Amino acid sequence: EADIYQTPRYLVIGTGKKITLECSQTMGHDKMYWYQQDPGMELHLIHYSYGVNSTEKGDLSSESTVSRIRTEHFPLTLESARPSHTSQYLCASSEPRQRDTQYFGPGTRLTVL
Amino acid sequence: QKEVEQDPGPLSVPEGAIVSLNCTYSNSAFQYFMWYRQYSRKGPELLMYTYSSGNKEDGRFTAQVDKSSKYISLFIRDSQPSDSATYLCAMSSPESGYALNFGKGTSLLVTP
Repeated sequence: EADIYQTPRYLVIGTGKKITLECSQTMGHDKMYWYQQDPGMELHLIHYSYGVNSTEKGDLSSESTVSRIRTEHFPLTLESARPSHTSQYLCASSEPRQRDTQYFGPGTRLTVL
Repeated sequence: QKEVEQDPGPLSVPEGAIVSLNCTYSNSAFQYFMWYRQYSRKGPELLMYTYSSGNKEDGRFTAQVDKSSKYISLFIRDSQPSDSATYLCAMSSPESGYALNFGKGTSLLVTP
């Protein structure tokens, strides 16, 4: 069973606030990912990391930023939340020796009013 | 054209039915094929993982890959109400660094 955690699970916040979505994994995986998922739509990759101090933008343009200071921790930050940021955010991690099979956290459902 | 196509459903079946879920794809470089199950308000959970063409069975679940037709399937035998979820297909290739390409997911409802 994958050990990947996300907090908070649900967040309702006002426009203009700065927020950080937390993601942690205890599997020692080097690769980590952030996806955005809207109802009835595909998961879209917004950020990924190959390891400590590595961050890359994904396929979907996002106003969020990420950091990777520790292997187990990959937080996502929105400096100024807007209603268009309302979505489900999913964190995942993978192990290259398993051909990067990705394991997902439970997700954070963000609502910006 | 999207690289991965999946009918979103919803698909409603009675308990005990055999369920067939499918995806088509356009990128012949895909070699690794996965099925994820996602319950409402949860993250996707890896269900099946297949390399290249062929069948793989795990309990009530069978994954099939037909690379010549660019078509993959997930069969669920003796479906249960607890199988009600959204099923996402995903695929990857070494050329793209194993980045996952997802379908939109098919919503399945198994009624008692």
